[in-house]
Amino acid sequence: EDQVTQSPEALRLQEGESSSLNCSYTVSGLRGLFWYRQDPGKGPEFLFTLYSAGKEKEKERLKATLTKKESFLHITAPKPEDSATYLCAVQGASNTGNQFYFGTGTSLTVIP
Amino acid sequence: GAVVSQHPSWVICKSGTSVKIECRSLDFQATTMFWYRQFPKQSLMLMATSNEGSKATYEQGVEKDKFLINHASLTLSTLTVTSAHPEDSSFYICSARRDSTYEQYFGPGTRLTVT
Repeated sequence: EDQVTQSPEALRLQEGESSSLNCSYTVSGLRGLFWYRQDPGKGPEFLFTLYSAGKEKEKERLKATLTKKESFLHITAPKPEDSATYLCAVQGASNTGNQFYFGTGTSLTVIP
Repeated sequence: GAVVSQHPSWVICKSGTSVKIECRSLDFQATTMFWYRQFPKQSLMLMATSNEGSKATYEQGVEKDKFLINHASLTLSTLTVTSAHPEDSSFYICSARRDSTYEQYFGPGTRLTVT
């Protein structure tokens, strides 16, 4: 069964304390793995797409990596403004078209 | 690029009335758009997939006669909540998928409150 699991559910970091968020997935024929950031009361903001194992993407303090079973979102020297919920989603291959699965997210709080 | 707008951003309506929410992709064409619902502190729940020029595909448990979806052009999809009840109060979010990359870009969401 296709599924996406994110861990931890919540993470509190001191400003400057680097860490990683995990997204484990099981999907038939991965077409893409996506990371989003969501602030309270807003729609998710697109961060990265990873299409195949071994690929990496970087944006400011964030770096996303991908293996055949999981993806990590590494946060280096986080700042309070990085506080948000980070969502992972995967697009699988299906003859019916839409197989897009979201994880439940990791709520990140960065303390000044 | 890849901006999706939603209108209205919030709406309050009385029980029994209908509410229409618009979702527009502003700088790209989207054959496929999606409608999600999100409850507080929970993840996104896919309600339906909207395809330009054809009928929407609804997820299990979502009443198609209550949540009417129209995707009349490559940049616009609408969700109409008919005969709204207080339990329909929620945060509704749309997304538009860029066909070449499968990336979904989300709108800012619409907060619906039914009194």
